[in-house]
Amino acid sequence: QVQLQQSGAELAKPGSSVKISCKASGYTFTSYYISWIKQTTGQGLEYIGYINTGSGGTNYNEKFKGKATLTVDKSSSTAFMQLSSLTPDDSAVYYCARRWPYGSYRFDYWGQGVMVTVSS
Amino acid sequence: DIQMTQSPPVLSASVGDRVTLSCKASQNINKNLDWYQQKHGEAPKLLIYYTNNLQTGIPSRFSGSGSGTDYTLTISSLQPEDVATYYCYQYNSGPYTFGAGTKLELK
Repeated sequence: QVQLQQSGAELAKPGSSVKISCKASGYTFTSYYISWIKQTTGQGLEYIGYINTGSGGTNYNEKFKGKATLTVDKSSSTAFMQLSSLTPDDSAVYYCARRWPYGSYRFDYWGQGVMVTVSS
Repeated sequence: DIQMTQSPPVLSASVGDRVTLSCKASQNINKNLDWYQQKHGEAPKLLIYYTNNLQTGIPSRFSGSGSGTDYTLTISSLQPEDVATYYCYQYNSGPYTFGAGTKLELK
Protein backbone atom coordinates (compact mmCIF):
# COMPACT_ATOMS: atom_id res chain seq x y z
CA GLN A 1 0.00 0.00 0.00
CA VAL A 2 1.10 3.55 -0.67
CA GLN A 3 2.77 5.18 2.32
CA LEU A 4 4.60 8.43 2.92
CA GLN A 5 6.59 8.28 6.13
CA GLN A 6 7.90 11.58 7.43
CA SER A 7 10.72 12.21 9.87
CA GLY A 8 10.17 13.22 13.48
CA ALA A 9 9.36 16.47 15.18
CA GLU A 10 11.98 19.21 15.18
CA LEU A 11 12.83 21.85 17.74
CA ALA A 12 15.08 24.49 16.22
CA LYS A 13 16.53 27.84 17.19
CA PRO A 14 15.83 31.04 15.28
CA GLY A 15 18.27 31.51 12.42
CA SER A 16 19.01 27.81 12.06
CA SER A 17 17.88 25.31 9.43
CA VAL A 18 16.06 22.00 9.50
CA LYS A 19 15.76 19.27 6.89
CA ILE A 20 12.74 17.00 7.03
CA SER A 21 12.26 13.85 5.02
CA CYS A 22 9.41 12.00 3.36
CA LYS A 23 10.07 8.36 2.46
CA ALA A 24 7.70 6.85 -0.09
CA SER A 25 6.78 3.21 -0.47
CA GLY A 26 4.22 1.06 -2.22
CA TYR A 27 4.44 2.69 -5.67
CA THR A 28 6.90 3.75 -8.34
CA PHE A 29 8.45 6.80 -6.74
CA THR A 30 9.33 8.62 -9.94
CA SER A 31 5.84 8.32 -11.42
CA TYR A 32 4.41 10.99 -9.13
CA TYR A 33 5.57 14.34 -7.82
CA ILE A 34 5.92 15.17 -4.14
CA SER A 35 4.37 18.37 -2.84
CA TRP A 36 4.83 20.06 0.51
CA ILE A 37 2.13 21.85 2.48
CA LYS A 38 2.40 23.98 5.63
CA GLN A 39 -0.33 24.07 8.25
CA THR A 40 -0.67 26.58 11.03
CA THR A 41 -3.59 27.55 13.22
CA GLY A 42 -3.42 31.12 12.01
CA GLN A 43 -2.74 30.74 8.27
CA GLY A 44 -4.38 27.38 7.67
CA LEU A 45 -3.03 25.26 4.83
CA GLU A 46 -0.43 26.78 2.52
CA TYR A 47 1.03 25.25 -0.61
CA ILE A 48 4.84 25.38 -0.56
CA GLY A 49 5.72 23.71 -3.86
CA TYR A 50 6.51 20.47 -5.54
CA ILE A 51 9.41 18.45 -6.82
CA ASN A 52 9.44 16.32 -9.93
CA THR A 53 10.83 13.14 -8.44
CA GLY A 54 12.14 11.95 -11.80
CA SER A 55 14.00 15.03 -12.98
CA GLY A 56 14.50 16.86 -9.68
CA GLY A 57 12.86 19.92 -11.14
CA THR A 58 11.06 22.14 -8.65
CA ASN A 59 8.30 24.69 -8.52
CA TYR A 60 7.78 26.96 -5.52
CA ASN A 61 5.09 29.23 -4.22
CA GLU A 62 6.78 32.64 -4.42
CA LYS A 63 6.16 33.10 -0.69
CA PHE A 64 8.45 30.18 0.10
CA LYS A 65 11.27 30.91 -2.33
CA GLY A 66 14.43 31.30 -0.31
CA LYS A 67 12.77 29.65 2.68
CA ALA A 68 12.18 26.10 1.43
CA THR A 69 14.48 23.96 -0.70
CA LEU A 70 13.12 20.73 -2.12
CA THR A 71 15.35 17.84 -3.08
CA VAL A 72 14.97 14.16 -3.77
CA ASP A 73 17.03 10.96 -3.47
CA LYS A 74 15.65 8.51 -6.01
CA SER A 75 17.80 5.67 -4.72
CA SER A 76 15.93 5.70 -1.41
CA SER A 77 12.56 7.01 -2.69
CA THR A 78 12.86 9.92 -0.30
CA ALA A 79 11.99 13.58 -0.72
CA PHE A 80 13.43 16.27 1.49
CA MET A 81 12.54 19.82 2.41
CA GLN A 82 15.08 22.11 4.00
CA LEU A 83 13.79 25.20 5.78
CA SER A 84 16.39 27.90 6.33
CA SER A 85 16.79 31.07 8.40
CA LEU A 86 14.07 29.89 10.70
CA THR A 87 11.83 32.33 12.55
CA PRO A 88 8.92 31.68 14.90
CA ASP A 89 6.60 32.14 11.89
CA ASP A 90 8.00 28.92 10.48
CA SER A 91 6.60 26.95 13.42
CA ALA A 92 4.00 24.70 11.85
CA VAL A 93 3.12 21.19 10.83
CA TYR A 94 4.62 20.35 7.45
CA TYR A 95 3.11 17.66 5.27
CA CYS A 96 4.42 15.93 2.21
CA ALA A 97 1.86 14.61 -0.23
CA ARG A 98 1.95 12.58 -3.41
CA ARG A 99 0.84 14.73 -6.32
CA TRP A 100 -0.38 13.58 -9.68
CA PRO A 101 1.89 14.96 -12.41
CA TYR A 102 -0.89 15.58 -14.93
CA GLY A 103 -4.61 16.24 -15.12
CA SER A 104 -5.96 17.02 -11.69
CA TYR A 105 -2.96 17.90 -9.52
CA ARG A 106 -4.54 16.09 -6.62
CA PHE A 107 -2.81 15.05 -3.42
CA ASP A 108 -4.00 11.49 -3.04
CA TYR A 109 -1.68 10.33 -0.25
CA TRP A 110 -0.24 12.37 2.58
CA GLY A 111 2.49 11.86 5.13
CA GLN A 112 1.62 12.04 8.80
CA GLY A 113 3.09 15.52 9.16
CA VAL A 114 6.13 16.90 10.95
CA MET A 115 5.80 19.51 13.66
CA VAL A 116 8.55 22.09 13.50
CA THR A 117 8.87 24.39 16.50
CA VAL A 118 11.16 27.40 16.29
CA SER A 119 12.06 28.77 19.69
CA SER A 120 15.07 30.15 21.48
CA ASP B 1 -3.40 35.20 -5.71
CA ILE B 2 -6.76 33.46 -5.98
CA GLN B 3 -8.69 33.71 -2.71
CA MET B 4 -10.85 30.76 -1.72
CA THR B 5 -13.72 31.63 0.62
CA GLN B 6 -15.46 28.78 2.39
CA SER B 7 -18.82 29.08 4.08
CA PRO B 8 -20.03 28.63 6.64
CA PRO B 9 -16.93 28.53 8.87
CA VAL B 10 -18.77 26.20 11.25
CA LEU B 11 -21.75 24.00 10.49
CA SER B 12 -23.77 22.01 13.00
CA ALA B 13 -25.95 19.25 11.63
CA SER B 14 -27.65 16.07 12.74
CA VAL B 15 -26.96 12.50 11.71
CA GLY B 16 -28.85 11.80 8.50
CA ASP B 17 -28.98 15.44 7.39
CA ARG B 18 -28.07 16.52 3.89
CA VAL B 19 -25.16 18.92 4.29
CA THR B 20 -23.86 21.44 1.78
CA LEU B 21 -20.51 23.21 2.08
CA SER B 22 -19.62 26.12 -0.15
CA CYS B 23 -16.36 27.31 -1.65
CA LYS B 24 -16.12 30.50 -3.68
CA ALA B 25 -13.07 31.51 -5.70
CA SER B 26 -12.07 35.11 -6.33
CA GLN B 27 -11.84 34.32 -10.05
CA ASN B 28 -12.74 31.54 -12.47
CA ILE B 29 -10.80 28.39 -11.60
CA ASN B 30 -12.12 26.22 -14.44
CA LYS B 31 -13.20 23.37 -12.17
CA ASN B 32 -9.60 22.88 -10.99
CA LEU B 33 -10.70 22.25 -7.44
CA ASP B 34 -10.34 19.44 -4.92
CA TRP B 35 -11.95 18.82 -1.54
CA TYR B 36 -10.06 17.47 1.48
CA GLN B 37 -11.29 16.21 4.84
CA GLN B 38 -9.17 16.61 7.94
CA LYS B 39 -10.06 14.92 11.18
CA HIS B 40 -8.55 16.12 14.42
CA GLY B 41 -4.88 15.20 14.70
CA GLU B 42 -4.71 13.61 11.25
CA ALA B 43 -3.42 14.57 7.85
CA PRO B 44 -5.90 15.83 5.26
CA LYS B 45 -7.55 13.20 3.10
CA LEU B 46 -8.62 13.60 -0.53
CA LEU B 47 -12.38 13.28 -1.03
CA ILE B 48 -13.18 14.84 -4.41
CA TYR B 49 -10.88 15.86 -7.25
CA TYR B 50 -11.50 18.07 -10.29
CA THR B 51 -14.77 19.34 -8.83
CA ASN B 52 -16.87 16.19 -9.02
CA ASN B 53 -14.72 13.06 -9.13
CA LEU B 54 -14.99 10.79 -6.11
CA GLN B 55 -11.62 9.54 -4.88
CA THR B 56 -11.29 5.76 -4.66
CA GLY B 57 -12.53 4.41 -1.35
CA ILE B 58 -14.58 7.47 -0.43
CA PRO B 59 -18.25 6.77 0.41
CA SER B 60 -20.74 7.72 -2.27
CA ARG B 61 -22.60 10.03 0.14
CA PHE B 62 -19.91 12.59 -0.73
CA SER B 63 -20.30 14.50 -3.97
CA GLY B 64 -18.99 17.68 -5.52
CA SER B 65 -20.28 20.14 -8.06
CA GLY B 66 -19.68 23.59 -9.41
CA SER B 67 -18.11 25.67 -12.12
CA GLY B 68 -16.58 29.08 -12.63
CA THR B 69 -16.12 30.56 -9.18
CA ASP B 70 -18.69 28.60 -7.15
CA TYR B 71 -18.24 25.06 -5.86
CA THR B 72 -20.07 22.80 -3.46
CA LEU B 73 -19.36 19.69 -1.44
CA THR B 74 -22.47 17.75 -0.47
CA ILE B 75 -22.86 14.98 2.07
CA SER B 76 -26.17 13.29 1.32
CA SER B 77 -26.67 11.72 4.73
CA LEU B 78 -24.36 12.88 7.49
CA GLN B 79 -22.66 10.16 9.52
CA PRO B 80 -20.89 10.56 12.90
CA GLU B 81 -17.53 9.78 11.28
CA ASP B 82 -17.93 12.80 8.99
CA VAL B 83 -17.15 15.20 11.84
CA ALA B 84 -14.07 17.00 10.51
CA THR B 85 -12.85 20.18 8.87
CA TYR B 86 -13.29 20.35 5.11
CA TYR B 87 -10.99 22.32 2.83
CA CYS B 88 -11.29 23.27 -0.80
CA TYR B 89 -8.12 23.70 -2.86
CA GLN B 90 -7.60 25.36 -6.23
CA TYR B 91 -4.81 24.52 -8.62
CA ASN B 92 -5.94 26.57 -11.59
CA SER B 93 -3.19 29.12 -11.23
CA GLY B 94 -0.30 29.70 -8.90
CA PRO B 95 0.16 30.10 -6.10
CA TYR B 96 -2.26 27.23 -5.50
CA THR B 97 -4.44 28.03 -2.51
CA PHE B 98 -6.63 26.41 0.09
CA GLY B 99 -9.78 27.75 1.65
CA ALA B 100 -9.84 28.39 5.39
CA GLY B 101 -12.06 25.39 5.97
CA THR B 102 -15.53 24.54 7.20
CA LYS B 103 -15.70 22.79 10.54
CA LEU B 104 -18.53 20.27 10.56
CA GLU B 105 -19.99 19.37 13.93
CA LEU B 106 -22.80 17.14 15.12
CA LYS B 107 -25.83 18.87 16.55
